[in-house]
Amino acid sequence: NAGVMQNPRHLVRRRGQEARLRCSPMKGHSHVYWYRQLPEEGLKFMVYLQKENIIDESGMPKERFSAEFPKEGPSILRIQQVVRGDSAAYFCASSHRDRGRGTEAFFGQGTRLTVV
Amino acid sequence: GDSVTQMEGPVTLSEEAFLTINCTYTATGYPSLFWYVQYPGEGLQLLLKATKADDKGSNKGFEATYRKETTSFHLEKGSVQVSDSAVYFCALRVNTGNQFYFGTGTSLTVIP
Repeated sequence: NAGVMQNPRHLVRRRGQEARLRCSPMKGHSHVYWYRQLPEEGLKFMVYLQKENIIDESGMPKERFSAEFPKEGPSILRIQQVVRGDSAAYFCASSHRDRGRGTEAFFGQGTRLTVV
Repeated sequence: GDSVTQMEGPVTLSEEAFLTINCTYTATGYPSLFWYVQYPGEGLQLLLKATKADDKGSNKGFEATYRKETTSFHLEKGSVQVSDSAVYFCALRVNTGNQFYFGTGTSLTVIP
C-alpha cells in the first residue's frame, strides 16, 4: 500500500530552466495539495486540486508557476524560468474525496529544489 | 482569516521529560485540528487529530485536546524519548474544499 510518491527527491536547476515536480497520490485519493517549505519556515499552501480541476490556487504565485492533476497520471507542479528564490522543499499531499473537514491529508517525502 | 500560532522553538528536553507544545488558532468556521510530525529529511506524518470541541486526539503517547473556549490544541507527552526529536506542526481545516493551514512548526530535540 504505497504512500504518496514524489519524484524526484532532489532536483537541481540552473536559473532560467524549468522544473517539473511529480506527485502520485495514494491509491483511491482524488485530491492533491501542494505546499512549499522554505528553510527555517513553515509550510505555505500553494494549490489544491481535484482530478482535472483546480479547487483553490490562492497560494500560487501569479507568474511562472502552474499545476495540474490530469485524469490519468500524476499531479505536476511546473515552475518556469526558475530563480534562486524558488529553492525550497515542495511537498505534495493527498486525501480521499472529501468526507468532511476531518479528512486528513497524507504527505509525500518532498522534492528539494535547488536553483544554482 | 484562518491561522495557527505555535510556540516558538527550538525546544530541547532531556529524555523522560514532560513535553508541551502550545498551539492556538483563529478560524472563520468550525475547524478540525491536527498535529503533524516531520522527521529530518522526510515529509509530514499525521500524529493525531480532533474534529470537535472537547475531543482528545492521541497517538504514540502524545495527546491534544480541542479546547474551543480557549481556541487551543496543545500537544503533550508525559515522557519524551530521543526518537521523538522532530519538528511538530499544528494545523487546522475549516471546511471541505479548503486547504490545511499550518503553524510555523516547533523543533524538538530530546537528549539522552
